[in-house]
Formats: sequence, C-alpha cells, structure tokens
Amino acid sequence: DIQMTQSPSSLSASVGDRVTISCRASQRITNFLNWYHHKAGQAPKLLIYAASSLQSGVPSRFSGSGSGTEFTLTISSLQLDDSGSYYCQQSYSTPWTFGQGTKVEI
Amino acid sequence: QLQESGPGLVTPSETLSLTCTVSGGSMTGYYWAWIRQSAGKGLEWIGRVYFTGSTNFNPSLRSRLTMSIDTSRNQFSLNLRSVTAADTALYHCARETIGPADTILDFWGQGTLVNVSS
Repeated sequence: DIQMTQSPSSLSASVGDRVTISCRASQRITNFLNWYHHKAGQAPKLLIYAASSLQSGVPSRFSGSGSGTEFTLTISSLQLDDSGSYYCQQSYSTPWTFGQGTKVEI
Repeated sequence: QLQESGPGLVTPSETLSLTCTVSGGSMTGYYWAWIRQSAGKGLEWIGRVYFTGSTNFNPSLRSRLTMSIDTSRNQFSLNLRSVTAADTALYHCARETIGPADTILDFWGQGTLVNVSS
C-alpha cells in the first residue's frame, strides 16, 4: 500500500492567516492526490482533486500544489468555518490511502 | 445525499451490517464506497461496489467482506464478518467518481458509529 504522511498533525492559527499543510507519498503518484475537510458530526468534503483542481463550490482561498511525492494544501486567508481536520488521499492505486490528518484550530 | 444506517453495537465475532441510502441522484455510472475512521488507524478505505455489482476490497479486510448494491432501492450495503474491537469505528459511505483527471470521493455521508463490544 502507498503510505501518506501529513505534517503538521495539528496547528493553531488566527482568522486571516495563511496556512500550509504538507503531504508526502511513499512512492510517486504523479498528481493523483486529493484533499478533504472534515468537521466533527458532518460529512467530509472534497476540496481539491488531481493535486491542484478546485472542486466545484469550494472557496478560492483553498489551493493545492505538488506532484510526484510532495504535495501542499494552502488556505490563503483562514476563516472561522475552516476549523476541523484536513486529510490528503492518494488515488493512484487501490487501496486508496489517507494521511493521518491535520487538525486546524482557530 | 448519503445516509448510513445500522446497529451501533455489534458483539465480537458477529457480523457488522450497514446500509447506505442515496438520495438526490442516480447510482448508475458510479462506484459506491465505504470508509471508516478509527482512533488508531485514521481514515481507512474499506472497499467499493460498482453500480453493476462488481467489487474492489482493501486486501487487509477482503477475507471478511461482502458488499452489495440495489439500485432499485437506491441503497448499497456492507457486511463485515468476525468483527473484533479493532473494527470499532465511524463508518462513512461515499460516492466514488472516476473522472478524466482523477478518481474522487465527491459525496460522503456523515457516518455511523459502530462499537464492537460484548
């Protein structure tokens, strides 16, 4: 299985801050990398697919970059609604695997 | 929308059975997946069932898994046999879409908590 490693595991930031979350794959996955946001008690939400494409309806403050083994999710100006956990997921080969998550506190 | 249903408590060695009901769209043309979230292992993709009934499973769970789909009822199901405490988790169902650029889990349910305990 492809192992996904996220960093940091948690962070605390203020409204308006620029936030960056990293994700590393244990092997090259080209750009088959997705990002999700999960708030407790709610359904996880797809933010970014194919490493850098913004899912329909997702605010433009979210962006993704990277290819190969190194990927980044950036929130350009953090909002209160952005609290929760963020997960990367590889869709290069099954079984799909996820990073361990980054908990964002505002 | 996707909504999971099933018992919140399962006895060890028994079978965990969950159903996901899909509303607001057709099941045709999509994979339908199960993902679980536990404290010890984070998010784990369990497997998926295509609208035709074909399946793909996580090798770590394959020997205990069955998945089925009933498109006439807009439902798909998961059966996990011989459960242990390690199967205690929040179980999500999700739609899996194969697009030109990627395969994505684009719609998820809120999840149902399953506790394996005697």
